Amino acid sequence: ETGVTQSPTHLIKTRGQQVTLRCSSQSGHNTVSWYQQALGQGPQFIFQYYREEENGRGNFPPRFSGLQFPNYSSELNVNALELDDSALYLCASSLGQGTTEAFFGQGTRLTVV
Amino acid sequence: LAKTTQPISMDSYEGQEVNITCSHNNIATNDYITWYQQFPSQGPRFIIQGYKTKVTNEVASLFIPADRKSSTLSLPRVSLSDTAVYYCLVGDMRGGATNKLIFGTGTLLAVQP
Repeated sequence: ETGVTQSPTHLIKTRGQQVTLRCSSQSGHNTVSWYQQALGQGPQFIFQYYREEENGRGNFPPRFSGLQFPNYSSELNVNALELDDSALYLCASSLGQGTTEAFFGQGTRLTVV
Repeated sequence: LAKTTQPISMDSYEGQEVNITCSHNNIATNDYITWYQQFPSQGPRFIIQGYKTKVTNEVASLFIPADRKSSTLSLPRVSLSDTAVYYCLVGDMRGGATNKLIFGTGTLLAVQP
């Protein structure tokens, strides 16, 4: 049990729709990162938020966006969903920058049909 | 960020010691080596982290030779519940660095009775 909570656990959306995924970070952690994990692959870094500001982004298009709130919880928004967006979306929280010890949630399984 | 190479899969039996080796030839001076474990449909879980020589915790040991171009995760006396994917990552620990984690495809460890 990492203390990182993601919702919903599963979601089915239609191509072209928009989706919002949510993450509550572990208490005291001010950094949240989002990852996309396709079947059979390792997680791919989407972006990171540190104290409500985006702090690094992976190779994902602008239709992937996010927010971090004052309580350090976070949202991942994906617009104009494509079939290839079907994946497990993972949220990880950590204490500050410069540490590779991150605590992951259980993930949200997104299926785009 | 240094790229890592590890075996795609390994088989073992209950009670055996398992050693998973990771190659990271381009590791930088400020990079630390971190291992994560992931069970199906769950987020990765931090196992161990080190910079050089040997690190041991209640779960595993991490051996890093002097040139730091490889590392070995050692799991003592594995059980069926250790069946999982194991990821080796290297990352910059300096303050202010974006701690995005670069995952490869990992090593699928299958433990048999």
